[in-house]
Amino acid sequence: SYVLTQPPSVSVAPGQTARIPCGGNNIGSKNVHWYQQKPGQAPVLVVYDDSDRPSGIPERFSGSNSGNTATLTISRVEAGDEADYYCQVWDSSGDHVVFGGGTKVTVL
Amino acid sequence: QLQLRESGPGLVKPSETLSLTCTVSGGSIIIGSYYWGWIRQPPGKGLEWIGSIYYSGSTYRNPSLNRRVTISVDTSKNQFSLKLSSVTAADTAVYYCARHLEVAKVGSALQYFDYWGQGTLVTVSS
Repeated sequence: SYVLTQPPSVSVAPGQTARIPCGGNNIGSKNVHWYQQKPGQAPVLVVYDDSDRPSGIPERFSGSNSGNTATLTISRVEAGDEADYYCQVWDSSGDHVVFGGGTKVTVL
Repeated sequence: QLQLRESGPGLVKPSETLSLTCTVSGGSIIIGSYYWGWIRQPPGKGLEWIGSIYYSGSTYRNPSLNRRVTISVDTSKNQFSLKLSSVTAADTAVYYCARHLEVAKVGSALQYFDYWGQGTLVTVSS
């Protein structure tokens, strides 16, 4: 089945840019979605369809997807962005949802 | 504002069946293009999709859990439910229900979760 690979952790200083990769075989041919999960809370959709933002999500959150890697980019990182981030796709070969293992973003 | 809320026992014995219900408020469960899904998260670990159901009863299920999972919908109560049989300690997790959008695109499909419940912890222990 399809596998999504994320680094366990990413560290970034406040005001800098965090880039969170999500690797998968030819992931550029799929639609990638991203969720933010803060401790003790349910996940929140922050990017869908590779690069679109739901209403209420700051423009600082953006996404891209090409080749074998999709990337969530958080610009001008704030302390409140510290959370776990998960990528997700639909595996049409088996008709099922796949999540990446998650990346913990630490704001230094 | 759409809200989802999970309910059910917080403790289940090994080999028994875990049963949860998700109640949807602020909107109808009978809506085109939306499935209703279950996702779980073991303590300290990542998200695992369990399965999703359409108001008509059509389902998608995670192949790794397929044989143990039953998902049903009750449109009269605006609820959908999960049953997971023969549970073990490995099934201990926070269980979330969520709205699952399905939109066809040329050559692909959009499938993602836009509203989530708060989650409920289910512990499997004797």
